[in-house]
Amino acid sequence: GQNIDQPTEMTATEGAIVQINCTYQTSGFNGLFWYQQHAGEAPTFLSYNVLDGLEEKGRFSSFLSRSKGYSYLLLKELQMKDSASYLCAVKNQGGKLIFGQGTELSVKP
Amino acid sequence: GAVVSQHPSWVICKSGTSVKIECRSLDFQATTMFWYRQFPKQSLMLMATSNEGSKATYEQGVEKDKFLINHASLTLSTLTVTSAHPEDSSFYICSARDLKGTKNIQYFGAGTRLSVL
Repeated sequence: GQNIDQPTEMTATEGAIVQINCTYQTSGFNGLFWYQQHAGEAPTFLSYNVLDGLEEKGRFSSFLSRSKGYSYLLLKELQMKDSASYLCAVKNQGGKLIFGQGTELSVKP
Repeated sequence: GAVVSQHPSWVICKSGTSVKIECRSLDFQATTMFWYRQFPKQSLMLMATSNEGSKATYEQGVEKDKFLINHASLTLSTLTVTSAHPEDSSFYICSARDLKGTKNIQYFGAGTRLSVL
């Protein structure tokens, strides 16, 4: 089967750093995506990893280890507007995006 | 990033009626679009893959006669929920894949919240 696991919810403080983990087991692997989704809105693209290692984009970084079936999204200098759901998604060998359940991040003052 | 427009954003209808949802890629062509359904605090579940000029491919358990998909052009796909019932109430989100570049990023519409009374 196909399975993507990420924590249901996390809480962090404004200005801090938070790491959201994602583990996956899918039928083939053609890249891992992270999306941000605010309540009632569309998911917006954050990052893409297809090779092992770290991809950095401003305050957001994403890491991938294909051998471990593991990724994380790192958010630095947290802001209140970062409170949202963060979705980990893997593109399988059929080209379909399989989503995790999402991690609800709450940023507190 | 690329823009995907979805309309309407919110619809309330009576049980037994049909509802059409439109999804447009505004600044790129999309030979493939995707339709997802999302329940509160749950993940996006792929319903079907919409292919321009051909029949949609439905995921297991999704009734193709219930959820009609048409992808008549490279920028427009429509989902029609036929004879809607209260259990069809959900958040429906479309997505289009931008084939430019190597990432083939999927961009999402803003979603349609369907409430069936």
